[in-house]
Amino acid sequence: GENVEQHPSTLSVQEGDSAVIKCTYSDSASNYFPWYKQELGKRPQLIIDIRSNVGEKKDQRIAVTLNKTAKHFSLHITETQPEDSAVYFCAASQNSGYSTLTFGKGTMLLVSP
Amino acid sequence: EPEVTQTPSHQVTQMGQEVILRCVPISNHLYFYWYRQILGQKVEFLVSFYNNEISEKSEIFDDQFSVERPDGSNFTLKIRSTKLEDSAMYFCASSPHNTGELFFGEGSRLTVL
Repeated sequence: GENVEQHPSTLSVQEGDSAVIKCTYSDSASNYFPWYKQELGKRPQLIIDIRSNVGEKKDQRIAVTLNKTAKHFSLHITETQPEDSAVYFCAASQNSGYSTLTFGKGTMLLVSP
Repeated sequence: EPEVTQTPSHQVTQMGQEVILRCVPISNHLYFYWYRQILGQKVEFLVSFYNNEISEKSEIFDDQFSVERPDGSNFTLKIRSTKLEDSAMYFCASSPHNTGELFFGEGSRLTVL
């Protein structure tokens, strides 16, 4: 089955800095890579996703890059704000049939004012 | 905006007792999922459900677990005889199709004593 590794486990940045979270996956058949943000005690919420037919996707301060050859993808947050503080999970799935998401272990991002 | 709703938000039970967690998926969604998250750990897939039957399940989803969609709106997870290690946050999720975003509920925290 799929295995998703995520680094770092914690990341502390100053407000305004950029943050980068990296994930690798094992199954070359995976073709859908979402990122979820989970605030303390809340539900995971999708913030951005990328499919394997593109290498990069951007949405305002958030971007995701995908390297299919190396089987890794990254989340980039620019101009971080304290409200970006949360746990971020990457995930991967084959996105076909009844495919399911395999999550990474999460990165706790702390943005200090 | 429609949301997945879950009840109860928190349940405390004694080891060996049966527990039923309830979910109301978003009304036009066809695919339903249960995930769990042990405190401080990653979100883990339990089971997916489509067309009134299980489409995929993980190793965690053993004979003690069952799912049901009894009335066309609710989607339930039953644990027949709870164990201490079943203590976790259980998230229900739904999706309109099997090729994109999962919408998670707020979760049901299960504490087994």
